[in-house]
Amino acid sequence: GAGVSQSPSNKVTEKGKDVELRCDPISGHTALYWYRQSLGQGLEFLIYFQGNSAPDKSGLPSDRFSAERTGGSVSTLTIQRTQQEDSAVYLCASSPDRSGYGYTFGSGTRLTVV
Amino acid sequence: KNQVEQSPQSLIILEGKNCTLQCNYTVSPFSNLRWYKQDTGRGPVSLTIMTFSENTKSNGRYTATLDADTKQSSLHITASQLSDSASYICVVSSFSGGYNKLIFGAGTRLAVHP
Repeated sequence: GAGVSQSPSNKVTEKGKDVELRCDPISGHTALYWYRQSLGQGLEFLIYFQGNSAPDKSGLPSDRFSAERTGGSVSTLTIQRTQQEDSAVYLCASSPDRSGYGYTFGSGTRLTVV
Repeated sequence: KNQVEQSPQSLIILEGKNCTLQCNYTVSPFSNLRWYKQDTGRGPVSLTIMTFSENTKSNGRYTATLDADTKQSSLHITASQLSDSASYICVVSSFSGGYNKLIFGAGTRLAVHP
């Protein structure tokens, strides 16, 4: 597609439920990143995928968070047993390669845990 | 610890006026510095990218400066318009672990009033 597409745009879930957030990167972009943006905070790095290499998971805040990228394209971020502190905007970005140039963000998924 | 600090946290100006946003960073190693504009409910969009050797870069009414010695950057907006109302995020890129990692400031929220 023309840009990075994320779905859903908004998600309200009950505490304790699992959620899946989806990211469709720009076609041909080998690098994909997930970030979390809490109110008044800078973007917090979660995870990075590059081609078929092992992902950099160093930013995942707990083992309730996981992500996968199938076929080097679409990525899914899964949060298990959601907590209220998980409420935030989850942003996905992709770039053509590991240089970081050509970085493009999606519009994000606003997650609210009630 | 790698950090990017921005000031002011928020700013209100009248349409047509100029303003300057500040960014200080302690990031090593340094690859480049970027300014992004983030409209409400949207992902960040790149305004400028500057490498170590670049002192200034313009994009229309936006002019960014970089002093790599003092590790400071500024974003100057000329003849502000209502559409400039957004968050402006300073981002420093650092090559580590085989790819360029982005370290985000918390942003300056700019409101342009008629």
